[in-house]
Amino acid sequence: EVQLQESGPGLVKPSQSLSLTCSVTGYSITSNYWGWIRKFPGNKMEWMGYISYSGSTSYNPSLKSRISITRDTSKNQFFLQLNSVTTEDTATYYCAKGRDPDYWGQGVMVTVSS
Amino acid sequence: DVVMTQTPVSLSVSLGGQVSISCRSSQSLVHNNGNTYLSWYLQKPGQSPQLLIYKVSNRFSGISDRFSGSGSGTDFTLKISRVEPDDLGVYYCGQGTQYPDTFGAGTKLELK
Repeated sequence: EVQLQESGPGLVKPSQSLSLTCSVTGYSITSNYWGWIRKFPGNKMEWMGYISYSGSTSYNPSLKSRISITRDTSKNQFFLQLNSVTTEDTATYYCAKGRDPDYWGQGVMVTVSS
Repeated sequence: DVVMTQTPVSLSVSLGGQVSISCRSSQSLVHNNGNTYLSWYLQKPGQSPQLLIYKVSNRFSGISDRFSGSGSGTDFTLKISRVEPDDLGVYYCGQGTQYPDTFGAGTKLELK
């Protein structure tokens, strides 16, 4: 069974970097696409970007200068780094499998606050 | 970016009833390869979103045939028949045809 699990700090200070890890079991991240999606308070969902089976990446232009998605294939994990966060980055962050995400992690709520 | 407009914002239904949710895109979702990458997701309270329908009308593994998707171009519909308590939550449409991927604002399905 495919399972994804996000981990990382739930509180980040403004101007700092947000770093999250997605640990995948039951499926190799060297196959398919692996993405990050966030849901803001009030239900709005935003696709942030993905890393492909080959390691290539694609990012939402709204985040392009601040976002980086990387991976460690030996650990079957991929990572999100979002720089220079503001309170507007407060959201629940999900990692997910596939271009039409068919498996999602449980999500991690991240609050940006001093 | 492609704007996905979902209607209605909320919906009240009786158990056993049928509902339809509309999703309209600001641009055609027909990809150059001929596929239409329009999906439907359900987020139940306290859970992460789950994929219901992909490429307009294909049910994901394990999804009941009470859920059906239809549409083309810019107009799409999700129908839920014989509504059960486990169907309640927020429904989203999402597109992966045009970069960047975008989602609708959600439709909350509640019990009448």
